[in-house]
Amino acid sequence: DAGVIQSPRHEVTEMGQEVTLRCKPISGHDYLFWYRQTMMRGLELLIYFNNNVPIDDSGMPEDRFSAKMPNASFSTLKIQPSEPRDSAVYFCASSLERESTDTQYFGPGTRLTVL
Amino acid sequence: RKEVEQDPGPFNVPEGATVAFNCTYSNSASQSFFWYRQDCRKEPKLLMSVYSSGNEDGRFTAQLNRASQYISLLIRDSKLSDSATYLCVVILKAAGNKLTFGGGTRVLVKP
Repeated sequence: DAGVIQSPRHEVTEMGQEVTLRCKPISGHDYLFWYRQTMMRGLELLIYFNNNVPIDDSGMPEDRFSAKMPNASFSTLKIQPSEPRDSAVYFCASSLERESTDTQYFGPGTRLTVL
Repeated sequence: RKEVEQDPGPFNVPEGATVAFNCTYSNSASQSFFWYRQDCRKEPKLLMSVYSSGNEDGRFTAQLNRASQYISLLIRDSKLSDSATYLCVVILKAAGNKLTFGGGTRVLVKP
């Protein structure tokens, strides 16, 4: 299995630009999570989906952030407009069952730098 | 107060020595506990679950103390490859089974 795939691996953009991060979960997994990791705040859950439906987006920082999951094999996290404080590593993770959250598998992350 | 707190370290450990560190959680209703490992510039990976009775996986031992609301991880016979950041994870089912991560404890094993 290829594992969770994220793209791009690195993104450098200028303040005000739109950024789109992509994630392909492990085939057959029905939960997908988006996390953000910074030195100051650690690893934070932004949003998660079950069967492509957003369940909890309480971690999404503000309206500039949006996430979609149009099908079981693809999700996007969009930031528009981006700001320097959005610079972080964004991880996508997937799992098979919500009750088995100890088996969340993380992707390699997207390292975002907003200048 | 943070929901899950860890000593950030680093814990500098001679190769072959034993190291132990804790993680405290604020919500007494927390129900599931885990340790994840994160190597530098890599993604977190599950190391082990933490059971009420304590559990061991090779050189790693995890303990849960519900009365004092902390979990611990002990690494025996440390290897250079154990150098990583260890993340404590707590799940509160009432919060929709959301994983809450601690800030991590950095361990550096030196020859």
